[in-house]
Amino acid sequence: KAGVTQTPRYLIKTRGQQVTLSCSPISGHRSVSWYQQTPGQGLQFLFEYFSETQRNKGNFPGRFSGRQFSNSRSEMNVSTLELGDSALYLCASSLMTGDTQYFGPGTRLTVL
Amino acid sequence: DQQVKQNSPSLSVQEGRISILNCDYTNSMFDYFLWYKKYPAEGPTFLISISSIKDKNEDGRFTVFLNKSAKHLSLHIVPSQPGDSAVYFCAAAHNAGNMLTFGGGTRLMVKP
Repeated sequence: KAGVTQTPRYLIKTRGQQVTLSCSPISGHRSVSWYQQTPGQGLQFLFEYFSETQRNKGNFPGRFSGRQFSNSRSEMNVSTLELGDSALYLCASSLMTGDTQYFGPGTRLTVL
Repeated sequence: DQQVKQNSPSLSVQEGRISILNCDYTNSMFDYFLWYKKYPAEGPTFLISISSIKDKNEDGRFTVFLNKSAKHLSLHIVPSQPGDSAVYFCAAAHNAGNMLTFGGGTRLMVKP
C-alpha cells in the first residue's frame, strides 16, 4: 500500500507570496493532519481535516488555511509568506481521528 | 509552555546494548502516547504507542513504559543496532484526537 505522498517536495518563495501544498493520504485513510517543523519551535500541529471538515486547529495565524476534498486529499495554503514560515511541512494521515498517524516525507518551504 | 519534553538532546549507545529514551509531560489530560523515529529529509516513522490505561507495551525490540503518576514515559530499544541511529520524538494526544503534541526530539547514535 502506498504511503502518504506530498507535493512538491521542495519549494522556494519570496516574502508576500502565497503557497499551496498538497497531500495524498494512504488509501482508505479519511483523516489528514498537517504539522510544521522548524529548528526553533520543533514539530507543531497546524490543523486536522476529516470528511472535508476542519476538526482541530493549532495556534497559527489565519494566514494558514487548509481544505480536504471528497477523496480525502488535502491542501494547505499559506498566504502573505513571511521569512519565519520557512519550515518542513508534514502531512499525516490516519484511518479515523484518533488512530495512529502516518507521516509523509514533507515539503521543505524556503521563504526568501 | 512545553507540555512534552525530551530533556536529552542526544544519546550515544554501543551496538547490542540497550537504548533508553525518556520523555516527560505536564498535561494530565494526555491519554495516548506515541514514539516516532525520524531520519533527515524524511517524515517521522511511527514506532510504538501506548494508551494511558496500560503501563507497558512491547513490539519486537521496542518497549514503551508509561508512569502516569510521574508523567513520564520511556522507550527501550534492545538490542540497539546502527540502523536505529535517528532522531526520536515522543508525542502525546488526548480525548482520542489527532492533535499530537511533540517533544523536542533525542538524537540517538548507535556505534558499531
